[in-house]
Amino acid sequence: DSGVTQTPKHLITATGQRVTLRCSPRSGDLSVYWYQQSLDQGLQFLIQYYNGEERAKGNILERFSAQQFPDLHSELNLSSLELGDSALYFCASSAEGGGGTEAFFGQGTRLTVV
Amino acid sequence: AQTVTQSQPEMSVQEAETVTLSCTYDTSESDYYLFWYKQPPSRQMILVIRQEAYKQQNATENRFSVNFQKAAKSFSLKISDSQLGDAAMYFCAYPTGANSKLTFGKGITLSVRP
Repeated sequence: DSGVTQTPKHLITATGQRVTLRCSPRSGDLSVYWYQQSLDQGLQFLIQYYNGEERAKGNILERFSAQQFPDLHSELNLSSLELGDSALYFCASSAEGGGGTEAFFGQGTRLTVV
Repeated sequence: AQTVTQSQPEMSVQEAETVTLSCTYDTSESDYYLFWYKQPPSRQMILVIRQEAYKQQNATENRFSVNFQKAAKSFSLKISDSQLGDAAMYFCAYPTGANSKLTFGKGITLSVRP
């Protein structure tokens, strides 16, 4: 168990809908990362938050947004969903987010858009 | 931009034998880290081993070791005495910048034959 909790584990929704994925980082970790894993794109970095502030942005679509709350949990919001958004979404956390700091991953949320 | 290349999509090894998974990367930085992550069928990403580029000595963690060749930008993972539980996808990853967002290779699926 990595200590990172993601909910829900599975999510099936229709095109055009909006969903929210939740992540609770390891106790004490200030940095939260979101990644998307799909068959065609592989594992891609979406966005990082550090202690409530956005720190880095990757290949995140404008339809997607995220935030980190004062208790450090994070949410990834996906809207106007398309079939191509079907993927495994991972949250990871680390203590500081610098250099070779190990990132601990949750078990992911499997999103299926039908 | 940093890139990570894993050119072998699949490999197979006999139980108790040794297997080497290849990874090359591209970077203009002189000091950096490299990681190998394992993703078993449970989906969770697990850090296997970490290498610091400024260290001459190759990292070792029990049956896992790396062959790091900085000039060639090569970072291969050697698994000795392969076990059935080693069957998984393995990803080579490069943490980018001070925020340590990870750039992953496409991964390699390792199967272990009993």
